[in-house]
Amino acid sequence: NAGVTQTPKFRVLKTGQSMTLLCAQDMNHEYMYWYRQDPGMGLRLIHYSVGEGTTAKGEVPDGYNVSRLKKQNFLLGLESAAPSQTSVYFCASSPGSYNSPLHFGNGTRLTVT
Amino acid sequence: AQKVTQAQTEISVVEKEDVTLDCVYETRDTTYYLFWYKQPPSGELVFLIRRNSFDEQNEISGRYSWNFQKSTSSFNFTITASQVVDSAVYFCALRDSGAGSYQLTFGKGTKLSVIP
Repeated sequence: NAGVTQTPKFRVLKTGQSMTLLCAQDMNHEYMYWYRQDPGMGLRLIHYSVGEGTTAKGEVPDGYNVSRLKKQNFLLGLESAAPSQTSVYFCASSPGSYNSPLHFGNGTRLTVT
Repeated sequence: AQKVTQAQTEISVVEKEDVTLDCVYETRDTTYYLFWYKQPPSGELVFLIRRNSFDEQNEISGRYSWNFQKSTSSFNFTITASQVVDSAVYFCALRDSGAGSYQLTFGKGTKLSVIP
C-alpha cells in the first residue's frame, strides 16, 4: 500500500522556470493538501482540495497553482519560480472528516537558483 | 482563527532523561482535534496521536505520554527515558470544526536532540 506518493523527490530550477509537482494517493481520500516547510516556520498550507474538481487557497498561495482533475491526484504548479520558493514541499491527504489525521508523502526538496 | 504555539525551538537532553515538549493552542471552536507528528532526520512526517476536545484523559503509549488541559489550552508531550531514536522535530497541530476544519494548522515545531 503506497499511501501518498510525491514526485519528484528533488528538483533544482532556475529563476523563472516552471514545474509541476505531482501527488498521488491510493487511499480514496477526499481531501488533499500542499504544504511547504521552511526552517523555523513549521508547515504552512499552500492550497488544498476537498474533492475532485475543487481547490482552495491556504495560508501562502501566491506564486502557486493547483489542480485536482482526478480524485487520487493533486498537482502543484510553479509558473515562474523564484528563490523564495526554495523549500521542502509536502503533499498530504485525509478522509472527509475533521477528526482524521493527515497522511503525508515523503516530500519534495526544491531549490530555485 | 486557529493558532498553535510551540515555544521551545530546540531542546537537548542526555539519553535516559525525561523531556516535555510544550504545545499551546488557540481556537474559538468548542469541538476540535489536536495532533502530534514526528519528523525524524530522514524527513518524513509520522502521525503520533490525535486527541479530541471532549476527552481530557491523559494518553500513554509506551515511553510517550500526552497531557491535554483545556483550562490552559495546552497539549504537552512527554518522552520518558529518552533514546537517541527520539531525536527529531516534533510538531503539534490543531484542526477545528469550524470554517477552517479542512485545514490542519501546525506549530513551528520543536527540535529534540537526544545525546548519547
